[in-house]
Amino acid sequence: DVKVTQSSRYLVKRTGEKVFLECVQDMDHENMFWYRQDPGLGLRLIYFSYDVKMKEKGDIPEGYSVSREKKERFSLILESASTNQTSMYLCASSLSQGRGNQPQHFGDGTRLSIL
Amino acid sequence: DQQVKQNSPSLSVQEGRISILNCDYTNSMFDYFLWYKKYPAEGPTFLISISSIKDKNEDGRFTVFLNKSAKHLSLHIVPSQPGDSAVYFCAASAKNAGNMLTFGGGTRLMVKP
Repeated sequence: DVKVTQSSRYLVKRTGEKVFLECVQDMDHENMFWYRQDPGLGLRLIYFSYDVKMKEKGDIPEGYSVSREKKERFSLILESASTNQTSMYLCASSLSQGRGNQPQHFGDGTRLSIL
Repeated sequence: DQQVKQNSPSLSVQEGRISILNCDYTNSMFDYFLWYKKYPAEGPTFLISISSIKDKNEDGRFTVFLNKSAKHLSLHIVPSQPGDSAVYFCAASAKNAGNMLTFGGGTRLMVKP
């Protein structure tokens, strides 16, 4: 079974802080993704990565950055946290599309509150 | 503009009956469609998928139907069980989009005993 692990289930931070959310997958997946989930809006893609040191912007990258130094680890960084970044953050991974259509597998999420 | 829409935010069904969750999309480049189930405080769990070369895929109690001409897909759960109560998301992926998924807003299913 694929295991995607997010370092924190709940996190409370203050406005202006730099926040790191960590994600690790154990299935040697090439692709990794960061989403945020807000009521009625579904999951919206923030950033994704196809390979180590590679990153691409998703639909809502403003205010975020990412880092992928190792294949199994993908970090989301809130450069200067703001209250509108209070949300549920979900990490996912998948095999590359070169291997055919592949579902993404998700971690359990980090509920982040910015005060 | 939302490319994947789930127009029903919630659905209530009696245990043992059929649950039908609907999803519409606008991007004709989408060729792979998925359904995810999400319980509170957990991440989405992959449920079932369908490629655009098919119009039906079945896995136990779950069946997904795809109508390409109408740009519509649906998930049927038969029979519904209380443990199926969750939020269901449909998602779609376009050819050569590197497995990027576009998600609908979700439908909350409540199965009453």
